[in-house]
Amino acid sequence: QITLKESGPTLVKPTQTLTLTCTFSGFSLSTSGVGVGWIRQPPGKALEWLALIYWNDDKRYSPSLKSRLTITKDTSKNQVVLTMTNMDPVDTATYYCARYWSGPSNWFDPWGQGTLVTVSS
Amino acid sequence: DIQMTQSPSSLSASVGDRVTITCRASQSISSYLNWYQQKPGKAPKLLIYAASSLQSGVPSRFSGSGSGTDFTLTISSLQPEDFATYYCQQSYSIFTFGPGTKVDIK
Repeated sequence: QITLKESGPTLVKPTQTLTLTCTFSGFSLSTSGVGVGWIRQPPGKALEWLALIYWNDDKRYSPSLKSRLTITKDTSKNQVVLTMTNMDPVDTATYYCARYWSGPSNWFDPWGQGTLVTVSS
Repeated sequence: DIQMTQSPSSLSASVGDRVTITCRASQSISSYLNWYQQKPGKAPKLLIYAASSLQSGVPSRFSGSGSGTDFTLTISSLQPEDFATYYCQQSYSIFTFGPGTKVDIK
C-alpha cells in the first residue's frame, strides 16, 4: 500500500520561508520512472502544480513560482522536502504531495491527505 | 504555458443521469490528459489517465475520450458517491490543472 503524508507548519508569517516534508511508504524514489510532486489548493479554488522531483534527481518547477521553490529528496528516509521562500497571504492553501509515475503516460497517484498552511501576521 | 479550460464550471444532476464534462487545452497535448475526482475536504483521486485509460479500482461508469486539444469525461449513470469536483490535468509539458467542474445534486 502506497501512502504519503505532508508535514510542516500550519501558520507562517509573511516573508518567511515555508518548509514542507512529504514522508512516503510503499514505493522507492530510487525506482526508475518514479517521482514525487507538490500541488497546492487555495481555499475554494483549483489545484496548482508546484514542483516535481524524479528518481534521478531531475527537478521541474512551476514557471510562475520557480524563483521561490526548491525541492529535494532523501531517498534513504523516503522523504521529499519543498521549500518556498518569501511567503505571502496569497500562498495560503492546502499543500499536497503525490507520487508521480512517468512512463508512456504519466500521472499523480496517490496523493497525501494535504496540509493547510495559513500565511498571516 | 499550456492552459486548460473546463465546461461547465458546475452542473446539477440527478442519480442515474449521464454526465459529460469537457476539457480543452490551449495547444495539442496528444493524449497526455488525466482526470481527477475531489470530494470536499479530501485529496484528489485519479480516475482516468492517458485520456481514456481507467485507473485500477475506478468504476466502469467513468470513461474518458479525446486527443489533441479536446477531451471529455463521462459518467454513464451518476451515483450518489459521484457528487464531487472533477479536474482535468495535462502532463504534456510540465503540468497544468483545469479550473474544475463541480457536480452537485439536482
